[in-house]
Amino acid sequence: DAMVIQNPRYQVTQFGKPVTLSCSQTLNHNVMYWYQQKSSQAPKLLFHYYDKDFNNEADTPDNFQSRRPNTSFCFLDIRSPGLGDAAMYLCATSRDAGINEKLFFGSGTQLSVL
Amino acid sequence: DQQVKQNSPSLSVQEGRISILNCDYTNSMFDYFLWYKKYPAEGPTFLISISSIKDKNEDGRFTVFLNKSAKHLSLHIVPSQPGDSAVYFCAASADNDMRFGAGTRLTVKP
Repeated sequence: DAMVIQNPRYQVTQFGKPVTLSCSQTLNHNVMYWYQQKSSQAPKLLFHYYDKDFNNEADTPDNFQSRRPNTSFCFLDIRSPGLGDAAMYLCATSRDAGINEKLFFGSGTQLSVL
Repeated sequence: DQQVKQNSPSLSVQEGRISILNCDYTNSMFDYFLWYKKYPAEGPTFLISISSIKDKNEDGRFTVFLNKSAKHLSLHIVPSQPGDSAVYFCAASADNDMRFGAGTRLTVKP
């Protein structure tokens, strides 16, 4: 089945130690997104790629970076994780950009920062 | 700022009854609205959507109502089933900017 896959399911890192979360998709969708969701809060968009074009949300901290080496893969790099970065990170895709597009989500990576 | 709000963190209903989940938004530029459903240990999955040119969209047991003047939408599930127990997220979109509510946890009791 075509899907969005996130690895690992759980990730533990130390305060200040760089960490990378990965996402892959078999849907061949043009757009890939990274959302951060803290407990009982709304998922918050960090950035998205439309093909190779990177779009950063204005309030996304510089500590967060992303790479999309090809259509199928997208990575979230947290350069120096702080305790406040502990959250669920959701990767999503959409076929295209614009209205009437729905998102397809992965199962998420739960990040803990010790 | 929170442009999409789901004011009820949780809702409990009896099997066979109607479930009504509510959502309010503040940005009048939103023109497409969606509901996603999330089971534990899974990502959200698309459930139903509605364009701003409509006030109702129905898909089986699920109906979404949109009241643009009140900036309010609701999801009706009739009849509710235990398998509907999940977290439901409301989302609103303008261009390529999709905003989510914090979710409502629905529990359907047998």
